[in-house]
Amino acid sequence: GEDVEQSLFLSVREGDSSVINCTYTDSSSTYLYWYKQEPGAGLQLLTYIFSNMDMKQDQRLTVLLNKKDKHLSLRIADTQTGDSAIYFCAESAGSARQLTFGSGTQLTVLP
Amino acid sequence: NAGVTQTPKFQVLKTGQSMTLQCAQDMNHNSMYWYRQDPGMGLRLIYYSASEGTTDKGEVPNGYNVSRLNKREFSLRLESAAPSQTSVYFCASSEALKGAAVGETQYFGPGTRLLVL
Repeated sequence: GEDVEQSLFLSVREGDSSVINCTYTDSSSTYLYWYKQEPGAGLQLLTYIFSNMDMKQDQRLTVLLNKKDKHLSLRIADTQTGDSAIYFCAESAGSARQLTFGSGTQLTVLP
Repeated sequence: NAGVTQTPKFQVLKTGQSMTLQCAQDMNHNSMYWYRQDPGMGLRLIYYSASEGTTDKGEVPNGYNVSRLNKREFSLRLESAAPSQTSVYFCASSEALKGAAVGETQYFGPGTRLLVL
């Protein structure tokens, strides 16, 4: 079945860039997503990328997709303490409604 | 709009007790989902409902039942709770990505934290 993997933890200094990485196994993935979960809250969609794109930029967020290596990354420029959260990578395949989520990366922003 | 609401926020059960987790959305979405979140395991889909009157199993349906009562409400029932069901439960509803033929945005509720002793 599909599998989505992420490293569990990342720490950065305030003002630096953060790069959160994700790998997936389903070659038929259509959309790939990044969700953010703040403490005690549900997940919130940050951004997504269609599988025929290799980059998407949205303000401080840059998503890079390497379809050949099945590698997705999320870069957050000028990381702030408010960016501290768990970031989940997810994918959907074809017209399937279900998302497959990674285990999440806990981003800690140090002052 | 309240978005997706869940009740209760917290619950402690003894092994063997039953309970129903409630979920409602006011965004007129067709699709709704129940997930559980366990440390280091991401979110795993328990059940989903593509439209009112239909439900389907997800990755981890054993020990759970669901009811899509109407378009707004999707409940999750634990008939005989077990310690392995200690988790955080999230309900979500979804709409199509704007301008896209496929792909969805899922909107999540705040979660129900369940402890089974």
